[in-house]
Amino acid sequence: KAGVTQTPRYLIKTRGQQVTLSCSPISGHRSVSWYQQTPGQGLQFLFEYFSETQRNKGNFPGRFSGRQFSNSRSEMNVSTLELGDSALYLCASSFGRGNQETQYFGPGTRLLVL
Amino acid sequence: QKEVEQDPGPLSVPEGAIVSLNCTYSNSAFQYFMWYRQYSRKGPELLMYTYSSGNKEDGRFTAQVDKSSKYISLFIRDSQPSDSATYLCAMPGGSYIPTFGRGTSLIVHP
Repeated sequence: KAGVTQTPRYLIKTRGQQVTLSCSPISGHRSVSWYQQTPGQGLQFLFEYFSETQRNKGNFPGRFSGRQFSNSRSEMNVSTLELGDSALYLCASSFGRGNQETQYFGPGTRLLVL
Repeated sequence: QKEVEQDPGPLSVPEGAIVSLNCTYSNSAFQYFMWYRQYSRKGPELLMYTYSSGNKEDGRFTAQVDKSSKYISLFIRDSQPSDSATYLCAMPGGSYIPTFGRGTSLIVHP
């Protein structure tokens, strides 16, 4: 079974631009979560989508948004990029819920904002 | 104070050593706990779930939970260079949103 794929793997943008990252979950997984990982703050939850609906949202500004398509593929968008948005953005697909959840992370998209 | 505290390391040990990785937490509402391993330039992979106080063993890995002290540990027996990675603890809170520790970098040298 293919794993979680994320595109692109690396990205360089300048302040003020916007960026769209893509995630393809494992086949059959309907939940996709997004995380931001930085050396300073560690791994932080952005949001979770399930069956095209946002199910949970972390504590990030409205510049961070996402969506999920009917095939469970998900995209996240960051508008008006700031230097502090430089990070590794990870997508995870999961099956089940709570302590019955099986979650798999993708390799991440490394974003550098100049 | 962060909800989950984890020493970033690095922790450097010789091959074959027993490794102890730890996290403390402040929110007594956390009901179960997870350990992830993250290799350089990869996403985290789930190692173990633990649900209650006590020990859970899986091969060379043992997870321990002490809810009264709000302290969890991951022990690695007979550590190998391939265990060199960053280990993150995580605790799902409300709506199953996980709170992660910042990770401990482990280096096992031959």
